[in-house]
Amino acid sequence: EPEVTQTPSHQVTQMGQEVILRCVPISNHLYFYWYRQILGQKVEFLVSFYNNEISEKSEIFDDQFSVERPDGSNFTLKIRSTKLEDSAMYFCASLREITTNEKLFFGSGTQLSVL
Amino acid sequence: AQSVTQLGSHVSVSEGALVLLRCNYSSSVPPYLFWYVQYPNQGLQLLLKYTSAATLVKGINGFEAEFKKSETSFHLTKPSAHMSDAAEYFCAVRYSGGYNKLIFGAGTRLAVHP
Repeated sequence: EPEVTQTPSHQVTQMGQEVILRCVPISNHLYFYWYRQILGQKVEFLVSFYNNEISEKSEIFDDQFSVERPDGSNFTLKIRSTKLEDSAMYFCASLREITTNEKLFFGSGTQLSVL
Repeated sequence: AQSVTQLGSHVSVSEGALVLLRCNYSSSVPPYLFWYVQYPNQGLQLLLKYTSAATLVKGINGFEAEFKKSETSFHLTKPSAHMSDAAEYFCAVRYSGGYNKLIFGAGTRLAVHP
């Protein structure tokens, strides 16, 4: 089965530093997402991306966050100035098309620790 | 607004026993409902989904879930637990409108002991 690949699996950074989390979605997919899960809490939607622009974002996704699909294969999440509360597992997901029977594929996540 | 509640953050069963993981949803329109499983150090894997066809949905690894509109529930069951079922399970509802945004429950960690 095709996979969504995320790198790195673990990222440790200092508060205030910029981090870029990388994802390689499945090659023929058109819709891309970032979710996050703070330890012990729910998996939360951050942002969806389609046709090279953000299609929807949550209130969590403030000006410190940005997404990019720089080269047609990678899909990145950047946090400009990390805060302690950004520590979480970040999941990338992709979807071929929005129909009833299409399946959302998730990556294995990047565990971000902000110290 | 749509939301999902999973009752029980931890469930422990014996190998061979029935698994029942509870999920209740809140939605103003008939929802699409999902169960995902997360094994240690892995991503979220779709177990099964309800998309308004049959109310009893069969998924992978012997799991099934029944959509009950009157109870606004979508509980996940498996008749006989296996050690390999130990994982975290998430119920999710698909956001109506928008770009297939999922709203997740808090998750239930299933432990299976010999």
